[in-house]
Order: sequence, then C-alpha cells, then structure tokens
Amino acid sequence: KNEVEQSPQNLTAQEGEFITINCSYSVGISALHWLQQHPGGGIVSLFMLSSGKKKHGRLIATINIQEKHSSLHITASHPRDSAVYICAVDKLIFGTGTRLQVFP
Amino acid sequence: DTEVTQTPKHLVMGMTNKKSLKCEQHMGHRAMYWYKQKAKKPPELMFVYSYEKLSINESVPSRFSPECPNSSLLNLHLHALQPEDSALYLCASSHLGTVYNEQFFGPGTRLTVL
Repeated sequence: KNEVEQSPQNLTAQEGEFITINCSYSVGISALHWLQQHPGGGIVSLFMLSSGKKKHGRLIATINIQEKHSSLHITASHPRDSAVYICAVDKLIFGTGTRLQVFP
Repeated sequence: DTEVTQTPKHLVMGMTNKKSLKCEQHMGHRAMYWYKQKAKKPPELMFVYSYEKLSINESVPSRFSPECPNSSLLNLHLHALQPEDSALYLCASSHLGTVYNEQFFGPGTRLTVL
C-alpha cells in the first residue's frame, strides 16, 4: 500500500463542473502539497497546507489532519484545468496523481 | 526571478555517451533536487543538495552523478546509461527548513537513451 494515495486516478468533466480530487496518507506529516503538472512536464505548486483550508481563485484545498485526508476542489472547471494533479507530503512522498480532462 | 531553468529541454544519447543536465535558479534557495519521472508516474526523488552538499541519495545507480558547483547551479552527469533510464528529469529548488518547503520546479529535460 502506498503511503500517499489519490482518487480518482482519472477524471473527466464538462466545462463548468465542480471537481474534487482526494488524497489520503498514512504517515505523520508537517505539510501537504498539491501540485499541477501540465502535458510537457512543467510542475507548478498550487498549495502547501498544514491545517484547515486555502483558496486561490477557483481552487480550494482542505486538509483534515486527524483523518489524514486532503481534498482539492476546482470550481467552474475549464479546459485549461486539464492536467495531472499530484498530492505530496513532506519527506518528499508523492501520490500517484489524478489525470483530469475537462471538455468544452 | 522566480524561475528554475533546465537545459537542454531534450536530449538523445547512446549508451556509451557522456552528457550533463543543467539546472539553475536565482531565488536564493539553498536546497536543490533532482527527480526522475517516467510516463504516467509521479516524480521519484533521486538526489537532494542542502547548502551545496549532497544530503540525500535515494540509492541511485552510479551512472548518475550529481554535482552542485555553487548555490545557484545543479548538474547531473550521465554516463553509460541504459534505455530504461529514458525519462523526464526534473530539477527543483526550495528554501531550507524543518518542514517540506514549497518547491519550485524546472520544466524538465526529456532524456532518451538509445
């Protein structure tokens, strides 16, 4: 069993839909990160969380330390949101990623 | 300047070649990382440098040799690679601290070993 698991592995949505990606982890952590990787390779750090909730534009990330679970939400999804979303916890452990495709 | 640059963008090499990947940042970060990423897989950590010293080597074969000549530069020297080493090689940098700090990633070098 991986120490960081994400679900779903693949996700398709219509433009405008609300999207949720989940991340569960089994190790004690100081921080959890959500990363976005577009086709071609570039990785962008979206959020770093150690508690509660953060919002940036249409993106919202939440974390529940007791339940060892985090979610990434995308409101009003857009085709440009199509990417792989990766959850990572400190000690540099990465989840397997969620591949999101948003269709117009 | 909040960018991590990597050169070259693409590299094709034979198994007997020697080549180097380069990474540069000017954000004052004192931690720099090399990752290897195979298709449809998450990045796998290879090496971590802290204050220009190698602090983590994730049991990487010796055909990969990292070098950190100064606080802004990170190299990965490649020699006698195998076709299965073909992958996207990502460099990242971050501030140092007691927790996992936000990493800034370069665009990667796509390596093909023939």
